[in-house]
Amino acid sequence: AQSVAQPEDQVNVAEGNPLTVKCTYSVSGNPYLFWYVQYPNRGLQFLLKYITGDNLVKGSYGFEAEFNKSQTSFHLKKPSALVSDSALYFCAVRDDSNYQLIWGAGTKLIIKP
Amino acid sequence: SQTIHQWPATLVQPVGSPLSLECTVEGTSNPNLYWYRQAAGRGLQLLFYSVGIGQISSEVPQNLSASRPQDRQFILSSKKLLLSDSGFYLCAWSGPGGGRNQPQHFGDGTRLSIL
Repeated sequence: AQSVAQPEDQVNVAEGNPLTVKCTYSVSGNPYLFWYVQYPNRGLQFLLKYITGDNLVKGSYGFEAEFNKSQTSFHLKKPSALVSDSALYFCAVRDDSNYQLIWGAGTKLIIKP
Repeated sequence: SQTIHQWPATLVQPVGSPLSLECTVEGTSNPNLYWYRQAAGRGLQLLFYSVGIGQISSEVPQNLSASRPQDRQFILSSKKLLLSDSGFYLCAWSGPGGGRNQPQHFGDGTRLSIL
């Protein structure tokens, strides 16, 4: 069965420091991986995706994610955090057999000035 | 470019009243459409999805129903709301044909409060 885990309920980072939001997945076929961000009382915004190719994927707002097949992980990263990055982040996955997304529980990212 | 509209943004309804939430997509044809509910600002629960007009799949049996009367219109309904129907309802679309590399794109949601 497909699943996604975001092991951290909340991540606290000082402004200017690098940030990482973790995601691990389990699928039976080739994974298609996605990251989304949600600001309060708004819908989810698509940040980036991994389909195939280069393991380091670059996305919106300076975010990037690294696909690691052996560790079945797709961690979201940013070299220098901004206070405005504070939001709820979701990881999602689908595989070859299913076009529906399986969602992680979300990680609240708090960037402190 | 494609856009998705959801309305209303907020809604307060009494228990037992009917519900109709509407979602429309512009700038694309034959999209896949989705209704999600998000409780307590966290996890997403897929309620319904549709791959075409009149084609609705339900993921969770409950008090709600969905319809797709037009290609780019998706409606979430209830005949009698329950307290447990409170939540943040999100509509999303993705490209047609079930392309697995295509992300879903979300509207800004409707916050529904049942009194």
